[in-house]
Amino acid sequence: GAGVSQSPRYKVAKRGQDVALRCDPISGHVSLFWYQQALGQGPEFLTYFQNEAQLDKSGLPSDRFFAERPEGSVSTLKIQRTQQEDSAVYLCASSLMTGSQETQYFGPGTRLLVL
Amino acid sequence: AQSVTQLGSHVSVSEGALVLLRCNYSSSVPPYLFWYVQYPNQGLQLLLKYTSAATLVKGINGFEAEFKKSETSFHLTKPSAHMSDAAEYFCAVSGPSGSARQLTFGSGTQLTVLP
Repeated sequence: GAGVSQSPRYKVAKRGQDVALRCDPISGHVSLFWYQQALGQGPEFLTYFQNEAQLDKSGLPSDRFFAERPEGSVSTLKIQRTQQEDSAVYLCASSLMTGSQETQYFGPGTRLLVL
Repeated sequence: AQSVTQLGSHVSVSEGALVLLRCNYSSSVPPYLFWYVQYPNQGLQLLLKYTSAATLVKGINGFEAEFKKSETSFHLTKPSAHMSDAAEYFCAVSGPSGSARQLTFGSGTQLTVLP
């Protein structure tokens, strides 16, 4: 079946622009996660949804970052007034259930470059 | 707080040789542990996971890992490396049950397979 998809795959933004990154999870998956992966580093947690509820946003680096999942399926990560330090790969993952032992399935990521 | 340490950011092995990638975790209680592989410009793919059943876990592509509580380790091994194994490997931790659902990743190990 179809995996997690993300769009766009690549995004170049000028400093100060707003960007929106989309994630389509695997159909029926309850949990959705966003991670940020800086160059040469492991992914770092940003935020977590269970259905439409955002249960944890402790990893969002600033109030310029905002995520939503209004119908419990597709999710959007929005970054306002982008800064150069926002340049990274943004990964979305989904899992069928809510337990911490559940396998998370990752999308290919959106590579954001802020100039 | 949970954390993961991957010893060796770069590992090189000859084709056909043993692969050993090291991972140590820090957690107050036995967590859930995962190994993911990432190929260039792709998302992460699950190799295997430990969820408190058997301590020796077998995964895809001939990889396996052994959970050793006394050593707080979860090293990844493969008896014979193949050229297609060249990629970046991430160890991650989550849980335990009822607590953090997000994955905390190590900084990754880049595996090079020499002909």
